[in-house]
Amino acid sequence: EVQLLESGGGLVQPGGSLRLSCAASGFTFPSYGMSWVRQAPGKGLEWVSGSSASGAATHYADSVKGRFTISRDNSKNTMYLQMNSLTAEDTALYYCAKRLWSQHYSGHDYWGQGTLVTVSS
Amino acid sequence: AIQLTQSPSSLSASVGDSVTITCRASQGISGALAWYQKKPGKAPNLLIYDASSLQSGVPSRFSGTGSGTDFTLTIRSLQPEDFATYYCQQFNSFPHSFGQGTNLEIK
Repeated sequence: EVQLLESGGGLVQPGGSLRLSCAASGFTFPSYGMSWVRQAPGKGLEWVSGSSASGAATHYADSVKGRFTISRDNSKNTMYLQMNSLTAEDTALYYCAKRLWSQHYSGHDYWGQGTLVTVSS
Repeated sequence: AIQLTQSPSSLSASVGDSVTITCRASQGISGALAWYQKKPGKAPNLLIYDASSLQSGVPSRFSGTGSGTDFTLTIRSLQPEDFATYYCQQFNSFPHSFGQGTNLEIK
């Protein structure tokens, strides 16, 4: 059974940092690209960042570019999102998601339950 | 960046009705589009990928069509569990943007 478990969320002051983790199991993690998607309170889904299976290729939304860094440790079946210079606009539930296919961008078939990040003084 | 515009933003329908949601891309994305269902407190659920392919385990009353800039999600014979928010997402180029969502409510 595929499972994705996010952790690392919490309350942080503006300008602060957090590192989110996504622990994966039930599939061959090193073979699949992964993404982070967030949903701010009362808002829609926003794609945040994506990583290739190896981690060599990474991509970011303009809203987080230069502040967030996606990475992964395939030996630990874990993906990370380092978030720096946080603002209130980053307050959201952060999901990690697995790509449907290993070699083709088509959709995300498995999602975690999310970890909540709140940026407030 | 490619923008996706969904219409309508909200929709009221009854059990048994058929509904269609549209997603329009700001530039051509071939068939690189997925549809998700999102319920409060739950993670998104993939319904359709590659514009028209039904994800495994998803009921056949869900269908997707389109290519280029215009896409549709159709739900036939609405069931009570179908009332939720629906999102499209494009995979043609990064960032892999979402539409703003369509809230499907019970009439």
